[in-house]
Amino acid sequence: QKEVEQNSGPLSVPEGAIASLNCTYSDRGSQSFFWYRQYSGKSPELIMSIYSNGDKEDGRFTAQLNKASQYVSLLIRDSQPSDSATYLCAVRALQGNEKLTFGTGTRLTIIP
Amino acid sequence: EPEVTQTPSHQVTQMGQEVILRCVPISNHLYFYWYRQILGQKVEFLVSFYNNEISEKSEIFDDQFSVERPDGSNFTLKIRSTKLEDSAMYFCASSPTYNEQFFGPGTRLTVL
Repeated sequence: QKEVEQNSGPLSVPEGAIASLNCTYSDRGSQSFFWYRQYSGKSPELIMSIYSNGDKEDGRFTAQLNKASQYVSLLIRDSQPSDSATYLCAVRALQGNEKLTFGTGTRLTIIP
Repeated sequence: EPEVTQTPSHQVTQMGQEVILRCVPISNHLYFYWYRQILGQKVEFLVSFYNNEISEKSEIFDDQFSVERPDGSNFTLKIRSTKLEDSAMYFCASSPTYNEQFFGPGTRLTVL
């Protein structure tokens, strides 16, 4: 069973601080990695994708991938109350295998 | 910005009845997906669809489920004989490639 693991939280971070969200995956052949944000009662919203080792920055968000450690993380700088949501890590395995495998998500609360 | 749309937003049905959930993917996307999320649980892959045929399906997607692209814009999920355990949020997603997947707002299915 290919798994994606996340700490369910809740993770509480003061407004303006850096929120750090982590994800590990079991399938060493995984190719593509995604972070989705899900507000309560809403659908997953894609915020970052990363495909190669290293860092990828987009605005206040930085995704980090380490395939050797099977670890992917998301940093949110200058956290805002609107960042309060559940963050889902999703992994796509082999080339040609299209499905995303999701973690259970980490609930993030930004404290004003 | 183009979005995936889904109808209805909420469907209530009796156990054993057939339901059809409808989706309009983003217009230039080629890959289409259905996922579901049981309340409080992770997002689970059901099926992917490309070039007018199923390209991958999960063990959840048994003979009670079917998908169809009846015209150039709609993508439907049919559940032939609903069970109580089919109660969930059903999300349609689409992708221009087989990487980044964009989710619709979901249909909440309640089976009584």
